[in-house]
Amino acid sequence: NAGVTQTPKFRILKIGQSMTLQCAQDMNHNYMYWYRQDPGMGLKLIYYSVGAGITDKGEVPNGYNVSRSTTEDFPLRLELAAPSQTSVYFCASSYPRQGEHSNQPQHFGDGTRLSIL
Amino acid sequence: RKEVEQDPGPFNVPEGATVAFNCTYSNSASQSFFWYRQDCRKEPKLLMSVYSSGNEDGRFTAQLNRASQYISLLIRDSKLSDSATYLCVSPTGGGNKLTFGTGTQLKVEL
Repeated sequence: NAGVTQTPKFRILKIGQSMTLQCAQDMNHNYMYWYRQDPGMGLKLIYYSVGAGITDKGEVPNGYNVSRSTTEDFPLRLELAAPSQTSVYFCASSYPRQGEHSNQPQHFGDGTRLSIL
Repeated sequence: RKEVEQDPGPFNVPEGATVAFNCTYSNSASQSFFWYRQDCRKEPKLLMSVYSSGNEDGRFTAQLNRASQYISLLIRDSKLSDSATYLCVSPTGGGNKLTFGTGTQLKVEL
């Protein structure tokens, strides 16, 4: 049981290049999330998905796109890389809430460290 | 008021000490919270869930105070391996979205 798997672990991009960060989970979780974490800062939600075919913006979606064609996969796409997108990117997944106020913990992949030069 | 606020620390404590962190939250309707642990350059990992009044797991105890809107994490008999950043987490709206605090850094020393 691998949990949440992210690839690649490290990447250096040039300004203006594009790339896709891959995320896959094998826990049959409906919900998946993408966060970025800048040095010394908290996690900021980029996009999230509550199921295949459904995605929604988080706090900092500009410059990113996502798709969710299967329950297992939730790739994050950077179309025109900018230095401000240098960060560590974490993918997470969870079960749905069990009730209006019964949130479920999120489980994280080990991250993709992205530098844009 | 930020959704989740934590003292960034660092808290420097000797091995064997008891240390407590507090975290305040703004959404009074929230009923479930989490503490995560994040080691340097690693992913956050779930430490404890905090539903209703609190939770205890070995040396770790989490408490929820709804009246004052804060949760706490108590670590007894600190170990060197407890050195990490502890993230307080509160729910944020639909989609099981969670807001992560910026973390409290703990350093346990010999």
